[in-house]
Amino acid sequence: KNEVEQSPQNLTAQEGEFITINCSYSVGISALHWLQQHPGGGIVSLFMLSSGKKKHGRLIATINIQEKHSSLHITASHPRDSAVYICAVSPGNQFYFGTGTSLTVIP
Amino acid sequence: EAGVVQSPRYKIIEKKQPVAFWCNPISGHNTLYWYRQNLGQGPELLIRYENEEAVDDSQLPKDRFSAERLKGVDSTLKIQPAELGDSAVYLCASSMDHNYEQYFGPGTRLTVT
Repeated sequence: KNEVEQSPQNLTAQEGEFITINCSYSVGISALHWLQQHPGGGIVSLFMLSSGKKKHGRLIATINIQEKHSSLHITASHPRDSAVYICAVSPGNQFYFGTGTSLTVIP
Repeated sequence: EAGVVQSPRYKIIEKKQPVAFWCNPISGHNTLYWYRQNLGQGPELLIRYENEEAVDDSQLPKDRFSAERLKGVDSTLKIQPAELGDSAVYLCASSMDHNYEQYFGPGTRLTVT
């Protein structure tokens, strides 16, 4: 049983497209994290949120606590956005990670 | 400001050999995490430190894995003896405390042959 489910698992988009990655979780949480991992690279934290919406550049993250769902949006996608995007939730002191969404943006 | 530093970046060893990974967190970060990430999967928490105290090591295979964070700063994760299934990327992360955003190191890619 996975506490965190992401969809889609793989996503290919044309440069400039609007992209949405979804995350659903089954546990009560204190915070939800969106992480980015480039091939062979380390992990970068994009957002940490517990309610509402956050925006950073072309990235937008939203969370609906009642529905236990979060979305990560990328506007005007670019090939450099190609990476694995991981959703993680922290119910208190623990962390549960999704298996990630592999995004490829084609020029 | 320097990020989380890990070494080595890559390690290849034969099974049954010991191996150690080192992590230096961001200065001032009290919380340190060790994760293991298998190919195609998300990270799995192995152990979390608050300063020098291990507060969550429930996922650490204690028969062969050990970790320490002397003086509450840098940390070492050891595997002895290594098994083929230990091949993975071992990630270290740190945060100001467990309620704050985590910063990840580049990871150590371990291959056990």
